[in-house]
Amino acid sequence: ETGVTQTPRHLVMGMTNKKSLKCEQHLGHNAMYWYKQSAKKPLELMFVYNFKEQTENNSVPSRFSPECPNSSHLFLHLHTLQPEDSALYLCASSQGREGGTEAFFGQGTRLTVV
Amino acid sequence: AQSVTQLGSHVSVSEGALVLLRCNYSSSVPPYLFWYVQYPNQGLQLLLKYTSAATLVKGINGFEAEFKKSETSFHLTKPSAHMSDAAEYFCAVSETSGTYKYIFGTGTRLKVLA
Repeated sequence: ETGVTQTPRHLVMGMTNKKSLKCEQHLGHNAMYWYKQSAKKPLELMFVYNFKEQTENNSVPSRFSPECPNSSHLFLHLHTLQPEDSALYLCASSQGREGGTEAFFGQGTRLTVV
Repeated sequence: AQSVTQLGSHVSVSEGALVLLRCNYSSSVPPYLFWYVQYPNQGLQLLLKYTSAATLVKGINGFEAEFKKSETSFHLTKPSAHMSDAAEYFCAVSETSGTYKYIFGTGTRLKVLA
């Protein structure tokens, strides 16, 4: 399998649930990203990991907890979410080593909080 | 901080007509610029990128963009629109500092009329 794979593609969860989103990249990249895409809002960068180290946390609420065990895998652990957290969550990866390289995106997880 | 502005959240063109989607960037140094396309419930796919090698950049699906430093612009064009071009288009700029962030514009939804 190639590219960036996100699972699950769809997730419905209650506000008291705990769930995790998974992202895996098979491109040999060193940087991985979580973006949030809400209706009628721009893409919001949430977290950046470079060589497994978190290099960016864009003031994301603590109910979102990222984990990057290695350069190929990225998780987003979710707990006590709010309805306004419903969105498309996109994972991306890039070489993270040189400027000018593009980010490759997964197909996203459509999250609905009820 | 670097940023991009996309003028026009919705653009409609007739099939066969010229497509022009506008993007202006804000950066104190020559940036790296990208255009992505997103189809419904999908991730983002790279159309083309500018990395200072040539000011006119050709991408996939017949799209091209021209980097104009004097106008701080990177507009996307296609000579003849096809129905399959209907999608949302995002302009992005990358930071070349240690975090390798990709900052996206608010997107332009392209509608192609038969």
